Amino acid sequence: LAKTTQPISMDSYEGQEVNITCSHNNIATNDYITWYQQFPSQGPRFIIQGYKTKVTNEVASLFIPADRKSSTLSLPRVSLSDTAVYYCLVGDMSWNDMRFGAGTRLTVKP
Amino acid sequence: DGGITQSPKYLFRKEGQNVTLSCEQNLNHDAMYWYRQDPGQGLRLIYYSQIVNDFQKGDIAEGYSVSREKKESFPLTVTSAQKNPTAFYLCASRPDRDPLYEQYFGPGTRLTVT
Repeated sequence: LAKTTQPISMDSYEGQEVNITCSHNNIATNDYITWYQQFPSQGPRFIIQGYKTKVTNEVASLFIPADRKSSTLSLPRVSLSDTAVYYCLVGDMSWNDMRFGAGTRLTVKP
Repeated sequence: DGGITQSPKYLFRKEGQNVTLSCEQNLNHDAMYWYRQDPGQGLRLIYYSQIVNDFQKGDIAEGYSVSREKKESFPLTVTSAQKNPTAFYLCASRPDRDPLYEQYFGPGTRLTVT
């Protein structure tokens, strides 16, 4: 399993773009990168997944450099409701490869 | 309305008692998971199951037991052997062959043991 490293916490203000970087130096060829969001007292929710380059959906963008040793989750124009913990997972999508790290606690201020 | 249900939302038990947490899904997902979350911490994997009548230990299985007699159900028993059972417990499921690496989580059960 590729180990991931994320900042423990980040602060931002409403309307700003937030970029959360995840390091995964030992990522394997078959590994994908997935991000989840978790609000207090709720289960995590899938945000986005990618393998290389850039992926964008209605919620976020995921940037993955060519060496794939890191990835950046980009949240455009955050609001107070984006305050949550964000988890980066790296794995080969096998059913037994679902382990979460400590995550990044994002606080959006008014 | 498809999804994962966990019951109850809050559960209180006396120390030394076993307690079973319910997890049911009607998504027809093959794989199911149990996680534990302590305050301010990430999720830690307790047990997981790919198919009926088969399950594997995760990283912190000691003091817990599970069963998978039906595809839609994956109950977790917190035994008296678990030294610090008070925590937030999350159940999740995912399709076995879905191209997305996506788990669907239940609302969680907050267990307090005194």
